[in-house]
Amino acid sequence: AQSVTQPDIHITVSEGASLELRCNYSYGATPYLFWYVQSPGQGLQLLLKYFSGDTLVQGIKGFEAEFKRSQSSFNLRKPSVHWSDAAEYFCAVVPNTNAGKSTFGDGTTLTVKP
Amino acid sequence: EAGVTQSPTHLIKTRGQQATLRCSPISGHTSVYWYQQALGLGLQFLLWYDEGEERNRGNFPPRFSGRQFPNYSSELNVNALELEDSALYLCASSPGRTGGTDTQYFGPGTRLTVL
Repeated sequence: AQSVTQPDIHITVSEGASLELRCNYSYGATPYLFWYVQSPGQGLQLLLKYFSGDTLVQGIKGFEAEFKRSQSSFNLRKPSVHWSDAAEYFCAVVPNTNAGKSTFGDGTTLTVKP
Repeated sequence: EAGVTQSPTHLIKTRGQQATLRCSPISGHTSVYWYQQALGLGLQFLLWYDEGEERNRGNFPPRFSGRQFPNYSSELNVNALELEDSALYLCASSPGRTGGTDTQYFGPGTRLTVL
């Protein structure tokens, strides 16, 4: 069965600092990979996704993620964090078969210090 | 364009009762997904409907069920409520053209509290 691990439960960074959120997955083949953000009391918003092709993916709000097949990772990065980026971030995988069954990581809560 | 909408926003029930949650997908989307986000358990896939049919379900007991209507809106029913069913229930929709690997667009959720 597929699984997703987000090793960092909570990360604190200063405003303006760079950010990297880690995501590792376990799956027999390369799945479809997603990063979502959830603000308190809100649903999830898609930041970016990887299906195939260029392994560096650009998303909204200045986020990017890099797929590394050899490490089964899909880490999310942002060069300069803004206070409004404080939220919970979820990595998700969907198998590249017709299952429609997303598996989400447990999430990483980002706190931004002024 | 309106996003995914869910109703009600909050729902309070007592143990043993039934809860019905509703979801309206983005116009033109045929797939609807349901997730449970319970404290300490993360986001877990519940059900996937496409074109009126249940396509897949997660590891939940049969008292979690639902349906999709001809207009592609969906209902999630939870029977015989238990305390541990208290959670945020998220609905998502997608165009449904790629068999479940589409990008999913999420609604704001329904907060179910079981007393």
